[in-house]
Amino acid sequence: NAGVTQTPKFQVLKTGQSMTLQCAQDMNHEYMSWYRQDPGMGLRLIHYSVGAGITDQGEVPNGYNVSRSTTEDFPLRLLSAAPSQTSVYFCASSYSLIGEDYGYTFGSGTRLTVV
Amino acid sequence: KQEVTQIPAALSVPEGENLVLNCSFTDSAIYNLQWFRQDPGKGLTSLLLIQSSQREQTSGRLNASLDKSSGRSTLYIAASQPGDSATYLCALTGANNLFFGTGTRLTVIP
Repeated sequence: NAGVTQTPKFQVLKTGQSMTLQCAQDMNHEYMSWYRQDPGMGLRLIHYSVGAGITDQGEVPNGYNVSRSTTEDFPLRLLSAAPSQTSVYFCASSYSLIGEDYGYTFGSGTRLTVV
Repeated sequence: KQEVTQIPAALSVPEGENLVLNCSFTDSAIYNLQWFRQDPGKGLTSLLLIQSSQREQTSGRLNASLDKSSGRSTLYIAASQPGDSATYLCALTGANNLFFGTGTRLTVIP
């Protein structure tokens, strides 16, 4: 199993540009989520989805959009990149919202720099 | 809001020592607690998952405990090795979110 796959691994954007961070999982997990990791602040939830067609906001959703058209994929879109969005982004998945059974599985991350 | 604290922020130990990493949290209404390892520039690797009805889990040299009443979890690493050097994160599952601590950066000195 590949687990959770994120692309790209690195990206540099100019302020105002848009882009999509890709996330795919092959474990048939219903729950998927996006986190950003910043020094001294830990990981914070951006958006999450409890199944295809259902998404909701997390702690820091501003400037980001998501959609979930299939169980496998959960892309994160930056609408107009800002330097404050420079961060490392992680996608995670789980069988359920509360992470029962096997807990959460994380991707390897996307390191984004906005200049 | 759930607050998760990990102390110490950094720890250096000589190879072979046993050590304990601490995680404390403010809201005992959690579903699970998960310990992760993160190597520099890498993703999160799950180490142990403790469901709320459990008190501890073991995997090899690792043992994690959970005491919901006191809001504490510990990760015990036996006979530490240089390969254990990494940042260790605890995360608690709430209603719709994982709440993370900021981690303990462990260095095991050969």
